[in-house]
Amino acid sequence: DTGVSQDPRHKITKRGQNVTFRCDPISEHNRLYWYRQTLGQGPEFLTYFQNEAQLEKSRLLSDRFSAERPKGSFSTLEIQRTEQGDSAMYLCASSLSFLPWNTGELFFGEGSRLTVL
Amino acid sequence: DQQVKQNSPSLSVQEGRISILNCDYTNSMFDYFLWYKKYPAEGPTFLISISSIKDKNEDGRFTVFLNKSAKHLSLHIVPSQPGDSAVYFCAATGANNLFFGTGTRLTVIP
Repeated sequence: DTGVSQDPRHKITKRGQNVTFRCDPISEHNRLYWYRQTLGQGPEFLTYFQNEAQLEKSRLLSDRFSAERPKGSFSTLEIQRTEQGDSAMYLCASSLSFLPWNTGELFFGEGSRLTVL
Repeated sequence: DQQVKQNSPSLSVQEGRISILNCDYTNSMFDYFLWYKKYPAEGPTFLISISSIKDKNEDGRFTVFLNKSAKHLSLHIVPSQPGDSAVYFCAATGANNLFFGTGTRLTVIP
């Protein structure tokens, strides 16, 4: 399978615990994005990387959230001291940077669903 | 503030008929518009896009229409098939980000 893969697919945790999600993009893709989708809403942008550089962060990304992409390959999204409001589907997507960004063609993974009890 | 809006949360259409999904946006700086389809337990998949310099783009059974003056776009699916049953998201971009609507669940009845 050469698509975007995310792990774990589903995580249940207690409030206050830390969780980490991993995303492996399509191998030749330089851009990697994290989105969050809550029930009844469309995906909301969190952050994106160009290779290993984190170029933009949404104000939705509070101090409890941190994302990394060491070596410009896989990425991790960590949520510290989880709250019930963090319950959502966390989507990772990747794209080729040399394609005109304005085509907006992102390839999404299947997502990691977080449930905070 | 929702910059991309899909006011119809659901739509049911008979197989073989036309499905029309609508989307409105507020930001006149958006220059590309896209439609994504999402099946349960899967990530969204790209369907079709249109540049703001065009008013129509067609790909097989799927056609997207853009009305810039009304800040409105629509996706037409003709003929609709049961496999088209999914949630459809409208999205728009003008910089380094995509803004998504809330989605419309399309059900195609055999």
